[in-house]
Amino acid sequence: SAVISQKPSRDICQRGTSLTIQCQVDSQVTMMFWYRQQPGQSLTLIATANQGSEATYESGFVIDKFPISRPNLTFSTLTVSNMSPEDSSIYLCSVEKGLGTEAFFGQGTRLTVV
Amino acid sequence: AQSVTQLDSHVSVSEGTPVLLRCNYSSSYSPSLFWYVQHPNKGLQLLLKYTSAATLVKGINGFEAEFKKSETSFHLTKPSAHMSDAAEYFCVVSDPSLSGNTPLVFGKGTRLSVIA
Repeated sequence: SAVISQKPSRDICQRGTSLTIQCQVDSQVTMMFWYRQQPGQSLTLIATANQGSEATYESGFVIDKFPISRPNLTFSTLTVSNMSPEDSSIYLCSVEKGLGTEAFFGQGTRLTVV
Repeated sequence: AQSVTQLDSHVSVSEGTPVLLRCNYSSSYSPSLFWYVQHPNKGLQLLLKYTSAATLVKGINGFEAEFKKSETSFHLTKPSAHMSDAAEYFCVVSDPSLSGNTPLVFGKGTRLSVIA
């Protein structure tokens, strides 16, 4: 298993500012993922962050808007840049111990942009 | 490409009655399938998973699901609903044989309401 600590749990931010979300895992993992869950919606994958390489972004998400760091095998950050109210969502960090195996999720960061 | 269809966006049952949450998938030969539950203001928790072993999978809190390849279904059931089961449920498919960086595909979710 894996225990994921995600910070902050929630925040209210002014439009035009940026917020960095941290994800700490209690064990070393190769694959880390960042998801967005818009209000009342399912999860959408933003990007995959593997240690030692650039993050890979899904269609509709770009590095300038969602820069990701992955400095080691237990930690990652996602920044939501130049925020607008449309960015109000829950952002979740996830890890997998192997492709196709169970995914473990952080508690999520509930972001509200005003 | 993989896809997941949760046939009901909202299911409402009375406490003590059976629960059925439907899920159909599209994937390659041997996908992995999961059900996750999300309680209000909480993270996602794995209920159960199918990874090509027994087709009837038992999970936590009395839930189980049956993998039916011929019907491409993975419906979630529970014999008797409890008030604490009220939550959002996500059916998820993964195809380990695929390369690339999108190992999990989430359904749109089914909100389960339990009436006293």
